[in-house]
Amino acid sequence: RKEVEQDPGPFNVPEGATVAFNCTYSNSASQSFFWYRQDCRKEPKLLMSVYSSGNEDGRFTAQLNRASQYISLLIRDSKLSDSATYLCVVNQYSSASKIIFGSGTRLSIRP
Amino acid sequence: DVKVTQSSRYLVKRTGEKVFLECVQDMDHENMFWYRQDPGLGLRLIYFSYDVKMKEKGDIPEGYSVSREKKERFSLILESASTNQTSMYLCASSPPPTGVIYEQYFGPGTRLTVT
Repeated sequence: RKEVEQDPGPFNVPEGATVAFNCTYSNSASQSFFWYRQDCRKEPKLLMSVYSSGNEDGRFTAQLNRASQYISLLIRDSKLSDSATYLCVVNQYSSASKIIFGSGTRLSIRP
Repeated sequence: DVKVTQSSRYLVKRTGEKVFLECVQDMDHENMFWYRQDPGLGLRLIYFSYDVKMKEKGDIPEGYSVSREKKERFSLILESASTNQTSMYLCASSPPPTGVIYEQYFGPGTRLTVT
């Protein structure tokens, strides 16, 4: 079993729709969580951190469920420009930091 | 704005060649990383460094080495390139505290092809 798992998609949704995807992690020692966005042939860029209480940034909402060991990303009123691959990142701290990337979920917004 | 630059966007090398990939960041970050990204496998950590002359192995260090002589520069070295090292290589940096990783800033990547 992978340490961080994401549905690869692609998710193909119409503009204006709400879309959500999850990311599950296997190690309960995981301590911080992030969503990154990666456009085609570009580098990943931080979209948002994920806090225990959940957090919102405009049309984007991130949630963390420690009991079930998953994080989620919700995008409301999706735009064409939201088309990208969304990467889930989990950090574990013990003697050293261990960073694990999910393989990404592809999202395609159609007009 | 944080800027992470990589020496080449595209590189083609022959099997057995020694390959140097350079990464420079301009934000005085302690932590720097080298990843490779392959379809279906996501980003995998090769090496990271949390200080000058310090390095730690990531998940797939075999066939690679690194050098960090100055804080702003982190080099990845393929001692003898092989075809299975054909990949996209991404460098990243992140601010302190040392060893505790928050957001990472990525360079544009180097697409390396080994023939």
